Amino acid sequence: DTEVTQTPKHLVMGMTNKKSLKCEQHMGHRAMYWYKQKAKKPPELMFVYSYEKLSINESVPSRFSPECPNSSLLNLHLHALQPEDSALYLCASSQTSGRFPGELFFGEGSRLTVL
Amino acid sequence: AQKITQTQPGMFVQEKEAVTLDCTYDTSDPSYGLFWYKQPSSGEMIFLIYQGSYDQQNATEGRYSLNFQKARKSANLVISASQLGDSAMYFCAMESRPYNNDMRFGAGTRLTVKP
Repeated sequence: DTEVTQTPKHLVMGMTNKKSLKCEQHMGHRAMYWYKQKAKKPPELMFVYSYEKLSINESVPSRFSPECPNSSLLNLHLHALQPEDSALYLCASSQTSGRFPGELFFGEGSRLTVL
Repeated sequence: AQKITQTQPGMFVQEKEAVTLDCTYDTSDPSYGLFWYKQPSSGEMIFLIYQGSYDQQNATEGRYSLNFQKARKSANLVISASQLGDSAMYFCAMESRPYNNDMRFGAGTRLTVKP
């Protein structure tokens, strides 16, 4: 079982809806990530939070809004999405020290379909 | 930004044989980390192996080893004694500096193990 929990596992939404993806980890990791993965493509980095502060924003459209309420939680708020935003959204976390710098622990993903 | 290249979209290997998956990278940073991840059809991303740019020895983790040739900027994954469960997508990834939290992925190689 993964130690990074993502909810919901599946989400279908219309272009005018507002929804949120949630991610939780209790490994004490202080870096948390959102990646977007289209079918048969690699994960693309979207956002990174380090110590609850946004450290990387890969020029993601403003219809995606990340939030890190505390060190264990990461949200991705979705509003006015387009059909091309349909993808698997992966949350990950990593330590800020240790044997394998940057080793990512991934959740199982939230599969988003925008109608 | 770092660039990771995987030139093999698909590879086939006979069960119990060894296989090498290629990865080349480009970066101007002297200190960086290289990773391999496995993604089975179920979708979860699984960490396999890590190589730091200053590590003197090639990394090994069980049946996985990393053939690191720094001058050639290559970090090939070698899987020995392939098993049917090794059939998956394999991604090479890179972090520009240890704990920089900017992990980016190559295009991936789909490995199929034949019985």
